[in-house]
Amino acid sequence: KAGVTQTPRYLIKTRGQQVTLSCSPISGHRSVSWYQQTPGQGLQFLFEYFSETQRNKGNFPGRFSGRQFSNSRSEMNVSTLELGDSALYLCASSLPTSGDAYEQYFGPGTRLTVT
Amino acid sequence: KNQVEQSPQSLIILEGKNCTLQCNYTVSPFSNLRWYKQDTGRGPVSLTIMTFSENTKSNGRYTATLDADTKQSSLHITASQLSDSASYICVVGRDDKIIFGKGTRLHILP
Repeated sequence: KAGVTQTPRYLIKTRGQQVTLSCSPISGHRSVSWYQQTPGQGLQFLFEYFSETQRNKGNFPGRFSGRQFSNSRSEMNVSTLELGDSALYLCASSLPTSGDAYEQYFGPGTRLTVT
Repeated sequence: KNQVEQSPQSLIILEGKNCTLQCNYTVSPFSNLRWYKQDTGRGPVSLTIMTFSENTKSNGRYTATLDADTKQSSLHITASQLSDSASYICVVGRDDKIIFGKGTRLHILP
């Protein structure tokens, strides 16, 4: 079974630009979560999508948005990029959360550098 | 405030030795606790998941323990290998969210 894939793997943008990252979950997984990882802050939750609906949202400004398509693929968009947005952006997929201890499978991440 | 604190921040041990990583949390209500291993440049990979009723779970040379009364968990690595060099992240789940620790960076020296 193929794992979670993320594209692109690396991206360099300049301040003020916008960026779109893509995540394809494991086949059959309907939940997709996005995280930002920086050396100082660790992993921080951005949002979760389930069946094309945003189910949970972290404490990030409105410049960070996302969506999920009917095939469960998800995109994350960051507008008006700032230097502090430089980070590893991770996507994780999981099966429908019918229990407490569902497992999340992470993709390799997209390394975004803002200059 | 819901927090997950991990210690030590960084650890260096010789290949073949054992080590224990700590995770203390103040998350409430508690749902589950997970340990992830993250190699440099890769996404985290799940090692163990424990619910409230479980106090130990093993995955090969990795053994996680959970004391829900004291809100502490540990990850014990036996007979360390060079491939164990990675960051180990403790994650605590509530009903509505999951909270990540900042991780322990483990370096295994030959």
